[in-house]
Amino acid sequence: QSALTQPASVSGSPGQSITISCAGTSSDVGRYNYVSWYQQHPGTAPKLMIYDVSARPSGVSDRFSGSKSGNTASLTISGLQAEDEADYYCNSYAGSNTFYVFGTGTKVTVL
Amino acid sequence: QVQLQESGPGLVKPSESLSLTCTVSSGSIGIYYWNWVRQSPGKGLEWIGYIYHTGSTNYNPSLKSRVSISIDASKNQFSLKLTSVTAADAAMYYCVRGYGYSPHPFGYWGQGTLVTVSS
Repeated sequence: QSALTQPASVSGSPGQSITISCAGTSSDVGRYNYVSWYQQHPGTAPKLMIYDVSARPSGVSDRFSGSKSGNTASLTISGLQAEDEADYYCNSYAGSNTFYVFGTGTKVTVL
Repeated sequence: QVQLQESGPGLVKPSESLSLTCTVSSGSIGIYYWNWVRQSPGKGLEWIGYIYHTGSTNYNPSLKSRVSISIDASKNQFSLKLTSVTAADAAMYYCVRGYGYSPHPFGYWGQGTLVTVSS
């Protein structure tokens, strides 16, 4: 099972909106609504930001939103802030043989 | 708020076994799913496997022949064993609890423990 494909880097200015894509296949992202997104700052553990495509855990800013179309999921960060600068990873359930597949990761830079 | 703490040797020799333990505090290990996830230096994340509090397990197919996860509810701990390690197994290893009553998404993470593979 190959990793889900994300852009290596995305950048934006404070206050702008950015979108990170997560391209999978009809066996993972396209088949199941079990896509999640994780934020990781340097030297720290990942943090759950979005689950089940578009749900937010309590405590996560509503500036973060998720969506899916076909085999591609997306994470949008609105009103970009300096603290949003981090690596972001998507993950999808891929069935009872493969289970869980992560994306390749995207580095977000706030200009 | 559940807290997880990984422990174990930071250095393992090639061809030997890697053994790590995760201690769960501020909550019972019961009724939840417990995962191991690793991250190779400068690379992405990889799900290793999970165990349910009943002892039921599922593993990443790419590691299945070498990995086992066990649980000790009396100690509020679960453990990872990976056999026949190579340099490719060098990584930061995280123990992770599922968010809610399923193994996924990965809701609560330990701080991670770095494992180096070298003779």
